[in-house]
Amino acid sequence: DAKTTQPTSMDCAEGRAANLPCNHSTISGNEYVYWYRQIHSQGPQYIIHGLKNNETNEMASLIITEDRKSSTLILPHATLRDTAVYYCIVRPTNSGYALNFGKGTSLLVTP
Amino acid sequence: SQTIHQWPATLVQPVGSPLSLECTVEGTSNPNLYWYRQAAGRGLQLLFYSVGIGQISSEVPQNLSASRPQDRQFILSSKKLLLSDSGFYLCARTEGYSGNTIYFGEGSWLTVV
Repeated sequence: DAKTTQPTSMDCAEGRAANLPCNHSTISGNEYVYWYRQIHSQGPQYIIHGLKNNETNEMASLIITEDRKSSTLILPHATLRDTAVYYCIVRPTNSGYALNFGKGTSLLVTP
Repeated sequence: SQTIHQWPATLVQPVGSPLSLECTVEGTSNPNLYWYRQAAGRGLQLLFYSVGIGQISSEVPQNLSASRPQDRQFILSSKKLLLSDSGFYLCARTEGYSGNTIYFGEGSWLTVV
């Protein structure tokens, strides 16, 4: 799987948009970008994934650059409950192998 | 629903004792199953994955082993625990070989003393 680079930590004020960047400059054409988050003492939670186009669901939006070398996860209106570690992973489609998580970005949402 | 059950949720075991963590999944057939470990302050480490009954692949050499006696059951074991085995153990699944989204269970906290 392609390697990803994320900032170690970020802060965001409650109610504001949280924009979490991820660099994946070695991504291959058949690799998806996945985002997960992990709230302390819980299992990781799937957020969103995409290949080329921007994606949006009830949790977040995913913006992937045209060259696919980086992406941004957007939480449009961050709440205190969004405080978590956010992981960006790239993975081939139709792969029988698991995701390899890095250290992610620790997002702190403040009142 | 597609649910992953792990037990026990927490466990305190002495060094040298055996270990058995169980994971069962519901609502899906022929899933790929995975065991991850997360040590304190560190990222997730893939330990084992299984694409079918009796098929186990190990990612990291260690004193742990895994077994898949049934399609929806995945077990993590050790004959003699080490202090370094302490951590947060997560069972996960994808839906067969073509599934991409991975879903995690609630996790099991293991403390070796």
